[in-house]
Amino acid sequence: EAGVTQFPSHSVIEKGQTVTLRCDPISGHDNLYWYRRVMGKEIKFLLHFVKESKQDESGMPNNRFLAERTGGTYSTLKVQPAELEDSGVYFCASSLRQGWYNEQFFGPGTRLTVL
Amino acid sequence: AQSVSQHNHHVILSEAASLELGCNYSYGGTVNLFWYVQYPGQHLQLLLKYFSGDPLVKGIKGFEAEFIKSKFSFNLRKPSVQWSDTAEYFCAVKPSSASKIIFGSGTRLSIRP
Repeated sequence: EAGVTQFPSHSVIEKGQTVTLRCDPISGHDNLYWYRRVMGKEIKFLLHFVKESKQDESGMPNNRFLAERTGGTYSTLKVQPAELEDSGVYFCASSLRQGWYNEQFFGPGTRLTVL
Repeated sequence: AQSVSQHNHHVILSEAASLELGCNYSYGGTVNLFWYVQYPGQHLQLLLKYFSGDPLVKGIKGFEAEFIKSKFSFNLRKPSVQWSDTAEYFCAVKPSSASKIIFGSGTRLSIRP
């Protein structure tokens, strides 16, 4: 079974540009999560999709970040315009269902560098 | 606010030494507890988890963790580390009422061969 995949693995952009990160969850997983780790700090939750609906977007830092999951399969996270403080590693995770016993499986992350 | 505190930023040990990584969390309700590990160049992966029952949890590669509810702690232990345990270790908490996982800042473990 293929795991969670993310594309690209690295992205280097200049301040003010736009970047779109993609996450493909494990097939059949309705739940998809975005997290990020900035500057070696803790990994922080951004948002949670159940199929194509946003269940919890309380961690999204501001309106420069837009996440979508059209059709309930893969998800994209767009940063527009990117700022220096957006640099970090963006992780995606998926789980089969919500709730108590459902493990979240993480992707390898996308390392974003904003210059 | 809910948070997870890992006591050590970087731990350096020799092979065969014993390991204990501290983790405390702040949340008054029911939680799931996790330790994740990220080996160099690899995905974040689950090392062990606690949902309920026996507070001493055994995970992969000889790791174990003990949940002490009264201390809000979930320390990770291994009796004898190997060079291959070099990695970054994350303690994490998931409140039962939420879908998100709250991570600590991570502990980088370096093992001297």
